[in-house]
Amino acid sequence: QQQVKQSPQSLIVQKGGISIINCAYENTAFDYFPWYQQFPGKGPALLIAIRPDVSEKKEGRFTISFNKSAKQFSLHIMDSQPGDSATYFCAARSGNTPLVFGKGTRLSVIA
Amino acid sequence: GAGVSQSPSNKVTEKGKDVELRCDPISGHTALYWYRQSLGQGLEFLIYFQGNSAPDKSGLPSDRFSAERTGGSVSTLTIQRTQQEDSAVYLCASRLAGVNYEQYFGPGTRLTVT
Repeated sequence: QQQVKQSPQSLIVQKGGISIINCAYENTAFDYFPWYQQFPGKGPALLIAIRPDVSEKKEGRFTISFNKSAKQFSLHIMDSQPGDSATYFCAARSGNTPLVFGKGTRLSVIA
Repeated sequence: GAGVSQSPSNKVTEKGKDVELRCDPISGHTALYWYRQSLGQGLEFLIYFQGNSAPDKSGLPSDRFSAERTGGSVSTLTIQRTQQEDSAVYLCASRLAGVNYEQYFGPGTRLTVT
């Protein structure tokens, strides 16, 4: 049973465009939803995170939108740049339990 | 300060051999996690250590996998009698205790079983 479903698997976006990655979860006990960015040969690095008491969080060009009733959350990358090309993972956890990850989205930003 | 470090960065071993992978968490981080990352499969939770509590081993895929954490710091993941399906990147992460603290990952160990 996959607790966090992520889509799309891969995404190609033009430089300057908006990249959108979606995740859906099933466990209503989840109370923390981070997004991680991973470059080849590196470990995942925390990008931005949200808790279910807010519907949106913005940090620079990165925004998380959260829909508690639909049990969905998404990452929006505004003004996408070639340097944003990486694999992005959504995740979720409840309290101190281990993070449960989506399967990842490989983003390619082309000039 | 120093981040999470893992060694070796790459390991090639023959099927049937045992391997040990090491993780040095960030100093003071009481929670330590091991994940496995296979191609196209995301990150699979393996085991979780929190302070002096009994570890959460619920993600270990078989009894060939074990892990220990000595002195609440360094952790070793051991895979006995390796199989080709064990080939993956093994990632370690650590964080401070408490729900508001973030999890930091090491660079991983790429294990190849031939």
